[in-house]
Amino acid sequence: DQQVKQNSPSLSVQEGRISILNCDYTNSMFDYFLWYKKYPAEGPTFLISISSIKDKNEDGRFTVFLNKSAKHLSLHIVPSQPGDSAVYFCAARGGSEKLVFGKGTKLTVNP
Amino acid sequence: GAGVSQSPSNKVTEKGKDVELRCDPISGHTALYWYRQRLGQGLEFLIYFQGNSAPDKSGLPSDRFSAERTGESVSTLTIQRTQQEDSAVYLCASSSGVNYGYTFGSGTRLTVV
Repeated sequence: DQQVKQNSPSLSVQEGRISILNCDYTNSMFDYFLWYKKYPAEGPTFLISISSIKDKNEDGRFTVFLNKSAKHLSLHIVPSQPGDSAVYFCAARGGSEKLVFGKGTKLTVNP
Repeated sequence: GAGVSQSPSNKVTEKGKDVELRCDPISGHTALYWYRQRLGQGLEFLIYFQGNSAPDKSGLPSDRFSAERTGESVSTLTIQRTQQEDSAVYLCASSSGVNYGYTFGSGTRLTVV
């Protein structure tokens, strides 16, 4: 039973355009959501997070939106840059310190 | 150290052998986590250590898997009698517990042949 779902395994965008990565979850107990970015042969690195009491969090080119009623969150990257090409994981926390991760979306930003 | 260090970075082992994976967390981080990522899958939780509390072992897939942590330092993940389905990248992470932003190591790629 997948509690965190990233239904798009891959996404390709042009440099300078907006990248939108989506994530759905099923557990209404989740209270904190995070996005991680992973380059090949490296561990995931923390990118941005959002608490369930908010609906938006922004950090530079990265914005995360949370729609609790739809159990949906998204990561917007604008403008996208070739260096953003990586696998992006959505993660959620609920009731304990451990995080539940999605399967990831591979983003390719074309120059 | 500056980051989470894992060793070895790569391990090839024969089916049925035991393997031991090591994780050195960031100094001062009280929480330590083991995850694994099998090909085409997301990160799968294995085990979590927090200070001196009993570890959360709820993600260990079988009794062939075990992990230990010495105080708030090094952790070892041991897989006994390895099987081909154990092939994965094993990732260790640590955190200070205050911001939930884990810091991951680069992982150990385990291949069971």
